Amino acid sequence: DTGVSQDPRHKITKRGQNVTFRCDPISEHNRLYWYRQTLGQGPEFLTYFQNEAQLEKSRLLSDRFSAERPKGSFSTLEIQRTEQGDSAMYLCASSKGQGDTQYFGPGTRLTVL
Amino acid sequence: GQSLEQPSEVTAVEGAIVQINCTYQTSGFYGLSWYQQHDGGAPTFLSYNALDGLEETGRFSSFLSRSDSYGYLLLQELQMKDSASYFCAVRDEDAGNMLTFGGGTRLMVKP
Repeated sequence: DTGVSQDPRHKITKRGQNVTFRCDPISEHNRLYWYRQTLGQGPEFLTYFQNEAQLEKSRLLSDRFSAERPKGSFSTLEIQRTEQGDSAMYLCASSKGQGDTQYFGPGTRLTVL
Repeated sequence: GQSLEQPSEVTAVEGAIVQINCTYQTSGFYGLSWYQQHDGGAPTFLSYNALDGLEETGRFSSFLSRSDSYGYLLLQELQMKDSASYFCAVRDEDAGNMLTFGGGTRLMVKP
């Protein structure tokens, strides 16, 4: 068990560019979650996968955001046409079974200039 | 929808006991979780309560009262390393498997 990993850890981009983040969950965990966190706030849910199926999406998730988990293992989160308001920490978490105990990765800090 | 309230900041002295309260509003409650997050770090799971009562794990305990929609995290024998943000989070039947987090309580432990 090597924990949840995320790549990259930091991303600086210019407004209007596309970015993609990767999350590798704990290997036996079938559930994977994406959250966004801004300074001084709690994580906000974005989307959730059970195996390869995307089962829930937050109303916060605009159509510029898309997430995939093609083989039920790693997941990617893409943000198209980034805006300055997208600057945040993007956290990935995974769980085995019900989602009450979620294990978080270190996050990807996105800065949009 | 769901909403959670917790104090924004708490300060305590090393060796003391501190209680961080959390009140919540949800339509169909499954359970209350607590997470710790150090500056620059990832949230780390601390505890989960689905039923009323106290759950103890070492120096940390968590309490839930479903009838009062209230819970708390109790930290005993505070250490400097306990300085962090603490988040309560709920999962409810209307929100499936997503967790809704409170705004967090920043705990500062002083010598």
